[in-house]
Amino acid sequence: GAGVSQTPSNKVTEKGKYVELRCDPISGHTALYWYRQSLGQGPEFLIYFQGTGAADDSGLPNDRFFAVRPEGSVSTLKIQRTERGDSAVYLCASSFPGKNTEAFFGQGTRLTVV
Amino acid sequence: LAKTTQPISMDSYEGQEVNITCSHNNIATNDYITWYQQFPSQGPRFIIQGYKTKVTNEVASLFIPADRKSSTLSLPRVSLSDTAVYYCLVEGSQGNLIFGKGTKLSVKP
Repeated sequence: GAGVSQTPSNKVTEKGKYVELRCDPISGHTALYWYRQSLGQGPEFLIYFQGTGAADDSGLPNDRFFAVRPEGSVSTLKIQRTERGDSAVYLCASSFPGKNTEAFFGQGTRLTVV
Repeated sequence: LAKTTQPISMDSYEGQEVNITCSHNNIATNDYITWYQQFPSQGPRFIIQGYKTKVTNEVASLFIPADRKSSTLSLPRVSLSDTAVYYCLVEGSQGNLIFGKGTKLSVKP
């Protein structure tokens, strides 16, 4: 596709449920990032992939959060036992490998936990 | 990982030049400085990147002094559509991008 695609665009779930958020990066981009953003705040780093492996997962807030990228392309962010505090916009970005390369962001998935 | 500091908000009027300064006192030798723009309900968008001195593109200019401990994003002749949040980033050693709170620019008619 032309850009980074995130699905769904909106997700409402009940507290305690499991959710999966999907990110389709730009073709050829080996680097993939996940962020979450609350209203009025900057994007909070969660995890960064280079290829299939997580190069840095230090931003994952706890063990309820997990992300995979099994074939080095599409990535899924998984949240178990969702809490109301998980409500935020979850952003995905991708870029070519290497430092100082431009990252392209998707439109985000707005997650609401009720 | 270099931490960045920038003003929380700025106001301007259409047609003015806007300069947003970012401090990054602990920048590493091989780090570049990158600026992103974010409109409401959209993901951030790359604006400009530089290492030292001055970089200019069709959107903005970036000024970086010799000590590289700060940088200034310059937006010439802003319009209402430049109202957005602007983030200054210094890339982490592992290539990850760490955002701060950004500067909320409000352009008024």
